[in-house]
Amino acid sequence: NAGVMQNPRHLVRRRGQEARLRCSPMKGHSHVYWYRQLPEEGLKFMVYLQKENIIDESGMPKERFSAEFPKEGPSILRIQQVVRGDSAAYFCASSPDNSNQPQHFGDGTRLSIL
Amino acid sequence: GNSVTQMEGPVTLSEEAFLTINCTYTATGYPSLFWYVQYPGEGLQLLLKATKADDKGSNKGFEATYRKETTSFHLEKGSVQVSDSAVYFCALSLPYGQNFVFGPGTRLSVLP
Repeated sequence: NAGVMQNPRHLVRRRGQEARLRCSPMKGHSHVYWYRQLPEEGLKFMVYLQKENIIDESGMPKERFSAEFPKEGPSILRIQQVVRGDSAAYFCASSPDNSNQPQHFGDGTRLSIL
Repeated sequence: GNSVTQMEGPVTLSEEAFLTINCTYTATGYPSLFWYVQYPGEGLQLLLKATKADDKGSNKGFEATYRKETTSFHLEKGSVQVSDSAVYFCALSLPYGQNFVFGPGTRLSVLP
């Protein structure tokens, strides 16, 4: 999946710690989307951001989760006080605009909570 | 609301068999339709797309036709290979700020 860079690829945290997941979109893309995928399940939309703006966060839990896409630097998905149920693969996707263009995905961050 | 339904997996086929994975959608408006493929340990890759009725998307031997009358976008391949083993996701998107809606995915296993 050239272009969309996510890091780290794997992240291990203990319950109660914070997890920060980073996503750099493809060059020229200003729209970023975060998804969560539980084992053997499909993708669940979490949040859609443009530079410095959250457009749609209807899929993101109201507590402990936050996302940003600053003017400079990658998009960050932040999970505070992680719990076992947060263990999942988190995927970032980007697109150049919102006119039905395909989303391009990163390889994901696999978050494991001990 | 907008939704995508796919046939349940897993689907297990022998090499060179014919593949069909059904996908139907519900959408308010006129969506674009996509198939994505996810290989183990990787993110989703766009496989093919169609943006209007009767369009046929094709790539790597896979095809899907946008059928507005049946609200379907079934994925087909005439002769599958072991390397096609993956999870396939059908998806739709609508313009102007709407996010993608993905189906639950269908796992395909191709045996030699």
